[in-house]
Amino acid sequence: YVLTQPPSVSVAPGQMARILCGGSNIGSKSVHWYQQKPGQAPVLVVYDDSDRPSGIPERFSGSNSGNTATLTISRVEAGDEADYYCQVWDSSSDHCVFGTGTKVTVL
Amino acid sequence: EVQLVESGGGVVRPGGSLRLSCAASGFTFDDYGMSWVRQAPGKGLEWVSGMNWNGGSIGYADSVKGRFTISRDNAKKSLYLQMNSLRAEDTALYHCARAIAVAGSNWFDPWGQGTLVTVSS
Repeated sequence: YVLTQPPSVSVAPGQMARILCGGSNIGSKSVHWYQQKPGQAPVLVVYDDSDRPSGIPERFSGSNSGNTATLTISRVEAGDEADYYCQVWDSSSDHCVFGTGTKVTVL
Repeated sequence: EVQLVESGGGVVRPGGSLRLSCAASGFTFDDYGMSWVRQAPGKGLEWVSGMNWNGGSIGYADSVKGRFTISRDNAKKSLYLQMNSLRAEDTALYHCARAIAVAGSNWFDPWGQGTLVTVSS
């Protein structure tokens, strides 16, 4: 199972960033999103398509339908600059699959 | 505070072996599955292996199957990864992560900072 993300997304402060994650019928799976800043471990920002762990700002939201899952960051801040990865559990292989990753740059 | 601390990384020659450890604290270790995820320099995340709370369910990425062995000691609140027949392409930062399993889906929270494995002659 393959998850495809755009290599990069650029966004101005205060604007909205949308990060796409494409996979075959991904809408039938639960999608999770991680933020990784340089030199740091990944941090879970969205799980089960659209739920946020405690401590994650409401500016982070997720959706999932058809062949595309989306992580949306509203009112982008400089501190949101990071790599973002989507992830699913592929039940057919019983393996975890990560997306290719998207680097978000705040202009 | 939930914390995961990896150790055991280092420089090893191709064909060599290494054993990684992950010490857990701040939560009931045997209530959770655990996984290893690696990241080669400048590359993305790759799931390596995972196991459920008691070792009854174990999985490996195709890239490491037959060479790596995951295990855990619940009494010591520790996760391990025995890595044999190491190759240059195994060079990476290895993270351990707590797995949350719900209705056939798994996600990871939190992650450790990682331990670096370098395979080089």
